[in-house]
Parts: sequence; C-alpha cells; structure tokens
Amino acid sequence: AQKITQTQPGMFVQEKEAVTLDCTYDTSDQSYGLFWYKQPSSGEMIFLIYQGSYDEQNATEGRYSLNFQKARKSANLVISASQLGDSAMYFCAMREDSNFGNEKLTFGTGTRLTIIP
Amino acid sequence: GAGVSQSPRYKVAKRGQDVALRCDPISGHVSLFWYQQALGQGPEFLTYFQNEAQLDKSGLPSDRFFAERPEGSVSTLKIQRTQQEDSAVYLCASSPRDRVGEKLFFGSGTQLSVL
Repeated sequence: AQKITQTQPGMFVQEKEAVTLDCTYDTSDQSYGLFWYKQPSSGEMIFLIYQGSYDEQNATEGRYSLNFQKARKSANLVISASQLGDSAMYFCAMREDSNFGNEKLTFGTGTRLTIIP
Repeated sequence: GAGVSQSPRYKVAKRGQDVALRCDPISGHVSLFWYQQALGQGPEFLTYFQNEAQLDKSGLPSDRFFAERPEGSVSTLKIQRTQQEDSAVYLCASSPRDRVGEKLFFGSGTQLSVL
C-alpha cells in the first residue's frame, strides 16, 4: 500500500481563491510527522508546513494551513488567497518516528497547482 | 553560500560511465540527505548522514551507488557503471540538527541523463 497518496495530479485555481490539496497517509506508527513541500520549476523543494501526530491543533504558517484529521489519516494543505507565485508542484510527505533514528521522508507523487490570473 | 548547493546542475553520461555528484550543505548543518526524483514522481530516499557517519543507506538501489561525507560537510554521491534507469534528478538536503525535526533545506538538484 502507498504510504502517501495524493489523488489530484493537477489543479487549476483562480487567483485569490482558496485551494485545498489532498493528502492521505498510511502508517501503523503512533508517532509520525507530516510535511508539505513546494517544488517550483527551478527544482528546489521548499518547506511549507509541518504537523506532528501528537499536535492537537492544526498547523498554520502564514497563508498555509494543514487540515489534520487523524482518524481519517488525512493531512490536506489549504492555501488561502492564492497568488500567481503559488503555481508549482506540491508534495505531501511523512516521517515515521517509531524506529529510533529513522529520519527519512516518504513523499507522495505530488499535485501540480496552476493559478489562473 | 546561503543555501544548499549542488553541482553539476546537469550531467549527461554514457551508459557504463561513472559519475560523481556533489553537495555543499548549509554551513554547520549536521544532517545531510540524498534523494532521487524520477520524472513525474516524488523524491525517494537514498541515504542519510549525521556529520560524517552514514546512519542509513537503506534507499541506495544497488551496490553501484555510493555516498560519502568524509569531513562532515561536503558530500559526494557516486554512481558506478551508470544505467539508463539511473536517469533522474538527485536532490541533496540538510538540516541543522541531529534529529531532523520539522524542516529540511533542499538544493536545486543535479539532473542526470544516462544515454
């Protein structure tokens, strides 16, 4: 089974609208971290937001928020007031913490977001 | 420099050639990672260093892949006898702590094309 599933290969959104990018995950670990990264055409992965499995509140970073629904194993990224510069690939990722020393991230296949002026 | 630097930016190799990809992490960063990103896919973990110690190499696809970080700063990913399936973008990332926590800083990657 895929550990990280992103079901939206591509999305088109009007500028200034809010957008939700879907991510579901699969793990039997009790302790884990969920991440969202943005990859513009330059190729560099840019960290957006992090949610720990024990965090009770949804993470927020400026225009980004993570809608964390633990029972559903869902970690959707919400971008408010989208801008043209938000056009990029977006990756959801997970780090499973039960094995001490495990630092690797498992990434989904990504969603290509295009903001329309 | 301010960010993670990778060189070369592009590399074309003939099948069977050896290649070496370099990563300069942010100064002082303890943790360093290599990921492989095939076209249209998310990055896949290759290996992880904490200072000069290679703590996890479970993602290296074959014994043709070798990574080192001898002085705990610059790292080199070496691929011997390259094959067409090695064509991908190789991303390096670093983190200031020994426990990665929340954030990795990525370079722009090296795009390897094996002909």
